[in-house]
Amino acid sequence: EDQVTQSPEALRLQEGESSSLNCSYTVSGLRGLFWYRQDPGKGPEFLFTLYSAGEEKEKERLKATLTKKESFLHITAPKPEDSATYLCAVQGGGSNYKLTFGKGTLLTVNP
Amino acid sequence: DAGVTQSPTHLIKTRGQHVTLRCSPISGHKSVSWYQQVLGQGPQFIFQYYEKEERGRGNFPDRFSARQFPNYSSELNVNALLLGDSALYLCASSTLMGNQPQHFGDGTRLSIL
Repeated sequence: EDQVTQSPEALRLQEGESSSLNCSYTVSGLRGLFWYRQDPGKGPEFLFTLYSAGEEKEKERLKATLTKKESFLHITAPKPEDSATYLCAVQGGGSNYKLTFGKGTLLTVNP
Repeated sequence: DAGVTQSPTHLIKTRGQHVTLRCSPISGHKSVSWYQQVLGQGPQFIFQYYEKEERGRGNFPDRFSARQFPNYSSELNVNALLLGDSALYLCASSTLMGNQPQHFGDGTRLSIL
């Protein structure tokens, strides 16, 4: 069974204070690892897909990296508008293409 | 371009009732998946449909059912509602059955009294 563990559960940063969120996973045959951002009362918003170890993707202040056991979401010089819950999900090699999500990291960036 | 649209946005039901939730995928997307998100948890997979056929089912009781229509829209039905069914129900669409990103709607908030 695919499993995803995200840490920390919550993270408070000052504006401009860089940090990283962790996503550890176990999966049978990784098809892809996905990062989403979720604002209160909204659905998850797609950020990145990573397909193989060593791959990196960047978007504005966010950078996602992937190893064979975990993924990191690096946030450089965050702004208050980056405050949200960040969700990590894996898609394994089963007969369907379901996403297995972690519980998320609630990020708060204070001005 | 319109994203994934879900209706209704909020719904209040009582135990034992049934409910139908609706989803319209992004134009051109043929795969629709349903997820349940309980407060403080990540979304949990319920169903996946592609080209009107069920392609995957999560660990949910038979009270949950779904279907996909020729225009690729989808319905999720839940019978004999329980208090524990209170959650945000999310629909996601993607272009193909594969490792393409799934794009989510803003969900239907279902409350059971």
